[in-house]
Amino acid sequence: ETGVTQTPRHLVMGMTNKKSLKCEQHLGHNAMYWYKQSAKKPLELMFVYNFKEQTENNSVPSRFSPECPNSSHLFLHLHTLQPEDSALYLCASSPGTGDYNEQFFGPGTRLTVL
Amino acid sequence: GDSVTQMEGPVTLSEEAFLTINCTYTATGYPSLFWYVQYPGEGLQLLLKATKADDKGSNKGFEATYRKETTSFHLEKGSVQVSDSAVYFCALSDRAGYSTLTFGKGTMLLVSP
Repeated sequence: ETGVTQTPRHLVMGMTNKKSLKCEQHLGHNAMYWYKQSAKKPLELMFVYNFKEQTENNSVPSRFSPECPNSSHLFLHLHTLQPEDSALYLCASSPGTGDYNEQFFGPGTRLTVL
Repeated sequence: GDSVTQMEGPVTLSEEAFLTINCTYTATGYPSLFWYVQYPGEGLQLLLKATKADDKGSNKGFEATYRKETTSFHLEKGSVQVSDSAVYFCALSDRAGYSTLTFGKGTMLLVSP
């Protein structure tokens, strides 16, 4: 495996379900990110982890719970979601050092909440 | 705060036409600038970048020049192909170290044969 991988690629869940999205990066990076991409809206940054520590949480509802057990893995735990949470959820990673940071994105998980 | 403004899409062109997608930004510091591309059903891929004023980023025939005086980073390509059909995102990064990206809303490009 190379780059950033995400599983599952598609997920359909009811509002009472609990599910988790997984992201793995094989690039040796130190920073990982969750984004939400909804139709006709800019990408919304949800969470940032740097060296496994959460450094940003952009007022995301508590029904979204991130977990970063190590620098290579990032999870997004989902529970009691709403239909408006249906979107493409993108994971990204970056080196975490240097004058600028190029972020590398995974293919995303297309989530549908019924 | 930081912001990125892109032209509204979709942009519809015939194959071999010249492409320009406008991007302007607002930032408090000296940001790095990026263009990302998203093909249907995929995540975002970095297309090109520029880290300081007057730098030109280029890749796959696409170019963009960092213009500090006009706070712009317009994307251009001399001759588009059908395979260039995608959504293009302009973005900036305003901090060193790990950093967050501020994205524009994206511009869809549709190229017909």
